[in-house]
Amino acid sequence: DSGVTQTPKHLITATGQRVTLRCSPRSGDLSVYWYQQSLDQGLQFLIQYYNGEERAKGNILERFSAQQFPDLHSELNLSSLELGDSALYFCASSVVARSDTQYFGPGTRLTVL
Amino acid sequence: QKEVEQDPGPLSVPEGAIVSLNCTYSNSAFQYFMWYRQYSRKGPELLMYTYSSGNKEDGRFTAQVDKSSKYISLFIRDSQPSDSATYLCAMSAGGNQFYFGTGTSLTVIP
Repeated sequence: DSGVTQTPKHLITATGQRVTLRCSPRSGDLSVYWYQQSLDQGLQFLIQYYNGEERAKGNILERFSAQQFPDLHSELNLSSLELGDSALYFCASSVVARSDTQYFGPGTRLTVL
Repeated sequence: QKEVEQDPGPLSVPEGAIVSLNCTYSNSAFQYFMWYRQYSRKGPELLMYTYSSGNKEDGRFTAQVDKSSKYISLFIRDSQPSDSATYLCAMSAGGNQFYFGTGTSLTVIP
């Protein structure tokens, strides 16, 4: 158990809908990273927050947004969902902003029908 | 061309075999190299971490980095059925963004 928690574990929704994924980092970790994992693309970095501020952006679509709250939990919002958004979404956390050691949560499996 | 290339396998070996997993990369700025293990329906778990070139050993696991060839390897000695998982390589230039391989699926047969 990495200490990173993610909810929900599974999410099934329809195209065009909007969902919110939640992540709580390990105790003491200030940085949160979001990743998308699909079969053909592997693990893709989406976005990073450090202590409430956006720190780095990867291949995140404009339909997706994220934020980190004062209690350090983070939410990833996915809107106007498409079939291709079906994937595993992972959150990872680290103590500092630039870290080469990230601890991953169990993931949220999103299925868009 | 992808930043990181990894043979997806699947790889199937008998228990006790030595396993070799590899990744190649194109960005010469990468300095940090990681191997993650991911069991089915779980998040990736950090297995090995190496900075720059050289070897690092941890129990049955050895990570090798050859920066001149842009090639990294993970060796697993005396493989066990519990090693059956997907192994992901990851690398970073020291900034915030990690680049992952697509993963190699390994099955160790008892």
